Parts: sequence; structure tokens; C-alpha cells
Amino acid sequence: GAVVSQHPSWVICKSGTSVKIECRSLDFQATTMFWYRQFPKQSLMLMATSNEGSKATYEQGVEKDKFLINHASLTLSTLTVTSAHPEDSSFYICSARVRDRAYQETQYFGPGTRLLVL
Amino acid sequence: AQSVTQLGSHVSVSEGALVLLRCNYSSSVPPYLFWYVQYPNQGLQLLLKYTSAATLVKGINGFEAEFKKSETSFHLTKPSAHMSDAAEYFCAVSESNFGNEKLTFGTGTRLTIIP
Repeated sequence: GAVVSQHPSWVICKSGTSVKIECRSLDFQATTMFWYRQFPKQSLMLMATSNEGSKATYEQGVEKDKFLINHASLTLSTLTVTSAHPEDSSFYICSARVRDRAYQETQYFGPGTRLLVL
Repeated sequence: AQSVTQLGSHVSVSEGALVLLRCNYSSSVPPYLFWYVQYPNQGLQLLLKYTSAATLVKGINGFEAEFKKSETSFHLTKPSAHMSDAAEYFCAVSESNFGNEKLTFGTGTRLTIIP
């Protein structure tokens, strides 16, 4: 199957700093990637849809100025948490959409990035 | 609008016993349905998916799921549980309309295997 990587796998930062998380599709090109947030023992909540070469589409309630998304190439999307605060501590997971020859779509997920803001 | 309900946030089965994880969906159009597994501190791994072909879908690690339109269900089963199956399982739905690929996840079911 398609492989998606994330870097870093975990990060600890001080309140007020910005943190960048990378999501890469390793063996395929992805015009669309997704960013999710998962709180402990809860499900994944879609934050935004990242499209290569265009602005990201954010879900309702997600601050686009706080969670900056850049999808500069077909294999890389980045999520920057700006001026992070303790309430931003969470598990962030990206996924990349693969469309097969029958135009059926599957999302392949990265291993996640755990962010802890002190 | 689409939604997923997973009945039972925790399921425990004995090693070698049948695994049954329940998922019911709601969708205004014919759905795509997925089961993902998440091991501790890891991302999600696709187990299997239904995309309007065969209603009985076989996935990895011996899991399978059956799409039942009349019951709006997509329950996940495995005939014989293994210790390595202990994980969190998520059912998800997306609408099949071209270009609408958002996944809506259920709240997850934590599977515990009793030795």
C-alpha cells in the first residue's frame, strides 16, 4: 500500500512558539492531503483539506491563522501550529488520498505527530 | 450529512474467539465504508474498504466486513482472535460522489484480547 510519513513523530515546545509538522507521501503523488487531530481516547477530527497549489479548506471551528497549511508539492504538506498553547497539545495525523484507476479513493494515514506544549 | 455509530467503546474477547465490532452508518448517498486499526501511539492502518463492489469485503490480518444496506451496517469480524489484534478500531464513511472524499469517523472501539 501507499506509504505516508510524518516528521517529527513527537515534539515538546514552550508556549508561544510555532511548530511545523511535515507530511510526505513516499511512493506516490498526492494532490490532496488531510490533517486530523485526535484527543486522547477520542476519534479523529478533520481539521482541513490540503490541496497542492491552492489554499487549504478548513473545517468549521478550525482557526486557519493558527493552523497554517502549505501543500507546496505533490509529495509534501506541512502544518504549522503558530503561537502554540497547552490546549493545542494533541496527536496530529495526516493522510493522503489515493485515487485508483477506477476513480475509487482511499486515504492512507501517516504515523502521527504528538505535540506537547508546556 | 453522513455519520457513523460504533456500538461498544470497549470489546473484550478471548484469544481464539470470534471478534465482532459493530458499525452503523448514515449517508444520503451510497457510501464508501472503511475500517481502520490504530495501535498505540501510531497512525491509522487501513484494514478493508467497501466501495460498492462485493458486499462481503476481505481485509488484512484475517478481518472481513459485510455491507448490509437494509441494516445500514458494516460490522467487522474475525473468526479467531489473536493477541496481536488488540488495538483501537475505527469505522469511517465517505460519500461516493466524485470529489467528496471527506471521511467521517466513528468514536472507535478498543479491542482487548484475553489470553
